Amino acid sequence: DTAVSQTPKYLVTQMGNDKSIKCEQNLGHDTMYWYKQDSKKFLKIMFSYNNKELIINETVPNRFSPKSPDKAHLNLHINSLELGDSAVYFCASSQRGSGGAGELFFGEGSRLTVL
Amino acid sequence: AQSVTQLDSQVPVFEEAPVELRCNYSSSVSVYLFWYVQYPNQGLQLLLKYLSGSTLVKSINGFEAEFNKSQTSFHLRKPSVHISDTAEYFCAVSGYFGNEKLTFGTGTRLTIIP
Repeated sequence: DTAVSQTPKYLVTQMGNDKSIKCEQNLGHDTMYWYKQDSKKFLKIMFSYNNKELIINETVPNRFSPKSPDKAHLNLHINSLELGDSAVYFCASSQRGSGGAGELFFGEGSRLTVL
Repeated sequence: AQSVTQLDSQVPVFEEAPVELRCNYSSSVSVYLFWYVQYPNQGLQLLLKYLSGSTLVKSINGFEAEFNKSQTSFHLRKPSVHISDTAEYFCAVSGYFGNEKLTFGTGTRLTIIP
């Protein structure tokens, strides 16, 4: 039973298109995240939601819009895709304030390739 | 804000040899420290963490890391590596307070040579 699941796992699309990545966690955590991992494996946080409320919003283009319909789901929608958006996007979850700060549980990633 | 430096981008090691992966951090506040491991084509998994208490922390598969506050380091060690340890290793830091943002280092690729 997958703890943090993301779909799709692979996404190949043309520049200018709009795409979405979905994420669900069944761990009962109250906080979810999106991280971007570039071709050099560098991981950078994009967004974080706590109980459906946006709490971290890093310097990310407005073309990226997260949505959290409930605390078990965090989706990422990307408008007008650019070549530089090609990366692996990881969803993660954690239980905030439990003393396990930073104990994130990651999904397997969604590899986005923009042509 | 916190930052993490992993100076070694790649570390090749012979099987059964010891290994040390270096991690240094910078922070103006007290921190939590972590090592995550990423096997090929997978997400990251927590390997071990330092929150408080004993400065030496251990994982179930033989890795250990020591928090050194004076040197602002959290190096990862294993006395004898196995082929299955081949992976990317990320050091990470978060502050005690605020929104608990986890900041990652650039990763170290550990390659075990048979």
